[in-house]
Amino acid sequence: NAGVTQTPKFRILKIGQSMTLQCTQDMNHNYMYWYRQDPGMGLKLIYYSVGAGITDKGEVPNGYNVSRSTTEDFPLRLELAAPSQTSVYFCASGRRGAQETQYFGPGTRLLVL
Amino acid sequence: TQLLEQSPQFLSIQEGENLTVYCNSSSVFSSLQWYRQEPGEGPVLLVTVVTGGEVKKLKRLTFQFGDARKDSSLHITAAQPGDTGLYLCAGEETSGSRLTFGEGTQLTVNP
Repeated sequence: NAGVTQTPKFRILKIGQSMTLQCTQDMNHNYMYWYRQDPGMGLKLIYYSVGAGITDKGEVPNGYNVSRSTTEDFPLRLELAAPSQTSVYFCASGRRGAQETQYFGPGTRLLVL
Repeated sequence: TQLLEQSPQFLSIQEGENLTVYCNSSSVFSSLQWYRQEPGEGPVLLVTVVTGGEVKKLKRLTFQFGDARKDSSLHITAAQPGDTGLYLCAGEETSGSRLTFGEGTQLTVNP
C-alpha cells in the first residue's frame, strides 16, 4: 500500500497565483487533515474532514479552501498565494478520531515569492 | 484551541547520555501522542497514552502521561545518534476529532 501520497513535492509560486495541493490515501480512512509546518516548528491544523462531504476549519484556515468529494482525496486550494504561506504542508489520515494513529504524507514544500 | 508547550526547544547531547523532554498544558487532553520526525519526512507515531498516570516503554524510550492528563514526558536512556530528530507531542482535543501539536523539541545526539 502507498499510504498517504502528496503532490507536488516542491513548488514555487508568485504572489497572487493559485494552486492545488493534492492528497490521496489508500487506507480507507474516514479522517483526513491538512497541516502546515514552518521551519523548526510544530504543526498547525489548517482544515480537516471526518468523512466524504464534511470539512471543518482548523487553527489557521485563512487563505485556504478544501473539498472532500471522495474518501480517498482531500485537496487543499490556495487561491491568492502570499509570502506568509511559504511553508511545508503535510496531509494526514486516520481511521477514526484523534486518538487513533495519524499517518502522514511526505509533505509539499511551497515557496511563495 | 488547547495549547501545548514543549521544552526544551533544542537539545544537543553526547551519545550515551540520558534526556527528558516535557510537554505541558493548562488544558486536559483525552489522550496524548508522541511523534518523531526526520528531515524531509512526515511525523511518525511513537506512542499514544490515554490514562492519567500511564507509563509506556518503547525500548530505551519511556513515556508518561500526567495524573491530571495535562502534561507528558519522554525520557530517553543512553541516547544514540539514531535518536536524532524532531520530537512532537500532540494532544487529542475534547472534541475527539483533532490534535493540537506542540512546537517540538529538536534533539541532536552526537557520536
